[in-house]
Amino acid sequence: GESVGLHLPTLSVQEGDNSIINCAYSNSASDYFIWYKQESGKGPQFIIDIRSNMDKRQGQRVTVLLNKTVKHLSLQIAATQPGDSAVYFCAENNAGNMLTFGGGTRLMVKP
Amino acid sequence: EAGVTQSPTHLIKTRGQQATLRCSPISGHTSVYWYQQALGLGLQFLLWYDEGEERNRGNFPPRFSGRQFPNYSSELNVNALELEDSALYLCASSLDRTGSSNQPQHFGDGTRLSIL
Repeated sequence: GESVGLHLPTLSVQEGDNSIINCAYSNSASDYFIWYKQESGKGPQFIIDIRSNMDKRQGQRVTVLLNKTVKHLSLQIAATQPGDSAVYFCAENNAGNMLTFGGGTRLMVKP
Repeated sequence: EAGVTQSPTHLIKTRGQQATLRCSPISGHTSVYWYQQALGLGLQFLLWYDEGEERNRGNFPPRFSGRQFPNYSSELNVNALELEDSALYLCASSLDRTGSSNQPQHFGDGTRLSIL
């Protein structure tokens, strides 16, 4: 796995700071959303998911927020670490178990 | 627990040839999905198999096909290869068949297909 395209939006944060990665989804009928992390040479790794009947879900150091009104999803990473450096994708589950992925955001963590 | 495994890691072909990519899902998962990750195009859904049947197909030509075996492993076949087929092909698996309970798809590390 590698970065998607040459012009990925990039978020650069200082180690220890919180990171917020945003995503706009397209289908108002989508009922399930997933955040993935993709490191160079690897496939997408599941981070956290949320169903459309929820607004917020928390995991270990990560929180996903869902705003269905404006079709917006965000991933918050607390106390960002160098190991969090990767490309992050949001995905929405459409009918037929087809995941539609966003274009990705590259997170760079400065030591 | 072993994750999704894909083989080969890399595959080099020439235009017009045929390629076969293989995927073994996580133990207990019955659904297998294939995605294409081409540079500049992001991840695109290709195919979904469950219980040996093709359940859904993305916007790809018929020369992209596959199958799922009784042990739930899967093959993706690409015929009449074209230069633009060069991409990372990712396989994912999940527990969920119907989509109603929305189980996450877990990905392998992909097969890098290069067309010369």
